[in-house]
Amino acid sequence: DAKTTQPNSMESNEEEPVHLPCNHSTISGTDYIHWYRQLPSQGPEYVIHGLTSNVNNRMASLAIAEDRKSSTLILHRATLRDAAVYYCILRDSSSNAGNMLTFGGGTRLMVKP
Amino acid sequence: NAGVTQTPKFQVLKTGQSMTLQCAQDMNHEYMSWYRQDPGMGLRLIHYSVGAGITDQGEVPNGYNVSRSTTEDFPLRLLSAAPSQTSVYFCATHRGLAGVGEQFFGPGTRLTVL
Repeated sequence: DAKTTQPNSMESNEEEPVHLPCNHSTISGTDYIHWYRQLPSQGPEYVIHGLTSNVNNRMASLAIAEDRKSSTLILHRATLRDAAVYYCILRDSSSNAGNMLTFGGGTRLMVKP
Repeated sequence: NAGVTQTPKFQVLKTGQSMTLQCAQDMNHEYMSWYRQDPGMGLRLIHYSVGAGITDQGEVPNGYNVSRSTTEDFPLRLLSAAPSQTSVYFCATHRGLAGVGEQFFGPGTRLTVL
């Protein structure tokens, strides 16, 4: 399975943009890039996903490198509520294995007031 | 809609005891799965189900049993609890679109085995 590499932790100031990087150099053509986050004492929640093109939704933006070997989750204005562990996950769309999530260590985002 | 519900929220067991963690969903999703999360770690898949009557093992299935008699429910049974099973357990559901589709997680059950 293709793996992802993320920094262990990052810090941000409230109301500033945050760029969370993810490396996935062994990504295959059928792998979708997903981001989930886990707030303290809660289950993970979906943030965004994409395949090749950049994606935007109400929570965040996902910028995908042209060679797809890396991606960046962008929170446009961090709030205290965005303090969480962010997981970058690859999901294979060509097999049933893609129905399950393989979590790495994620990036712990700390937001300072 | 309640989404994904899990009971109990907290549980303390003694070594050797058995118990069932409950998971229910009202979204009519085909896929359901159980994960465990040890302190400071990411989630690991225990068992999953692709529909009523069909289950399969994930990454860490030993010591756990599952069954899926209805679309809505997916209980996880600990046969003989061990301290190594102290963890937070999350149930998740989704429609079963390989590679895509949002997964919905329950609030978790915090289990301590003494």
